[in-house]
Amino acid sequence: DQQVKQNSPSLSVQEGRISILNCDYTNSMFDYFLWYKKYPAEGPTFLISISSIKDKNEDGRFTVFLNKSAKHLSLHIVPSQPGDSAVYFCAARPFQGAQKLVFGQGTRLTINP
Amino acid sequence: DVKVTQSSRYLVKRTGEKVFLECVQDMDHENMFWYRQDPGLGLRLIYFSYDVKMKEKGDIPEGYSVSREKKERFSLILESASTNQTSMYLCASSLGVLDTQYFGPGTRLTVL
Repeated sequence: DQQVKQNSPSLSVQEGRISILNCDYTNSMFDYFLWYKKYPAEGPTFLISISSIKDKNEDGRFTVFLNKSAKHLSLHIVPSQPGDSAVYFCAARPFQGAQKLVFGQGTRLTINP
Repeated sequence: DVKVTQSSRYLVKRTGEKVFLECVQDMDHENMFWYRQDPGLGLRLIYFSYDVKMKEKGDIPEGYSVSREKKERFSLILESASTNQTSMYLCASSLGVLDTQYFGPGTRLTVL
């Protein structure tokens, strides 16, 4: 039972355009959401997060949007750069105070020059 | 910078062997985690530890055990490796409950 779903295994975007990665979740108790980025042969690195009390968080070229009613999360990268090519995982914390995170399946983003 | 290191990048073992995967973090973090990453399944939590000698089962603990004798070191043990345990294993640590998890580079384990 996948509580956090990334339905697109891959996405290809032209350099300079916007990349939009999507994530859906089923558990309304999730209160904190994160995006991690993973290059081949490296561990995931934290990218950006958002609390359930917000609907948007921005950090440079990266913006995360949260739609609680739709149980939907998205990551926008503008403008996309070749170095953004990686696998992106969304993750959610089941409830406040929980140490564990629940991860999605990942989306492989390829930025084409 | 936080550094999380894993003892091996690649490991090949035979079915039935006992396998130890070691993870060390250098930032005095309280929490440590073991995940496995499989295509189409993302990262799944095997075990985590919130203190020395303390451990909690994650979502897929069957076939695995862990050991945390020192704060900086968290070991994952496969008592009798099986082919379905072929995977990428990722260790992570975090300072506190609400803090970012930092990941090691991963160990790709192949069980023949």
